[in-house]
Amino acid sequence: QVQLQESGPGLVKPSQTLSLTCTVSGGSITSGAYYWSWIRQPAGKGLEWIGRISIIGSTDYNSSLESRVTLSIDTSKNQFSLKLNSVTATDTAVYYCARHSGLYFFDFWGQGTQVTVSS
Amino acid sequence: EIVLTQSPGTLSLSPGERATLSCRASQSVSSGHIAWYQQKLGQAPRLLVYGASGRATGIPDRFTGSVSGTDFTLTITRLEPEDFAVYYCQQYFNSPVTFGGGTKVEIK
Repeated sequence: QVQLQESGPGLVKPSQTLSLTCTVSGGSITSGAYYWSWIRQPAGKGLEWIGRISIIGSTDYNSSLESRVTLSIDTSKNQFSLKLNSVTATDTAVYYCARHSGLYFFDFWGQGTQVTVSS
Repeated sequence: EIVLTQSPGTLSLSPGERATLSCRASQSVSSGHIAWYQQKLGQAPRLLVYGASGRATGIPDRFTGSVSGTDFTLTITRLEPEDFAVYYCQQYFNSPVTFGGGTKVEIK
């Protein structure tokens, strides 16, 4: 069974860069025709898709965040990563990593990690 | 982007009752590219339904998805105690994928 685990700082200062990594276990990140996404959820609010990356590194971003987001993948470590620059308090949220096929429904999720933007 | 509107915001029901959750899309979502998720407090969402009516692996058959035009419905035929949670619909017809605002199913 595939498992995903987010990791990274829980506190980021305004204007700095939020960096998170998702480690995939229980199978190779390159197995099957899967894509790997980041999704976030502010406290008490709904879900917002951030972007996705394929195993060959092609990316697709939510246009609302595209200017600040970079996704990358390291298949040797079975990991993919998120960088979000110039963060503000509105970027405070639980960040999830998730897997999907060519159809963008998310069948496996990480447990989520809280990131707070504050000085 | 496609906006999904879920209703009602909160559904107060008793165990054993039937729950009907609605999700309306702002434009056509072809081929039923809608998924439903269940989220409990402090947990990640869990996939219930995809393709509007396909049940995900391990999901009990009391969860049923259906579609009529731009209206999508998740029905829970008989609520079990573990079903009280927040439910989200999601469209994956075009990018960016978007989620509805959620329906909370609470114990009456």
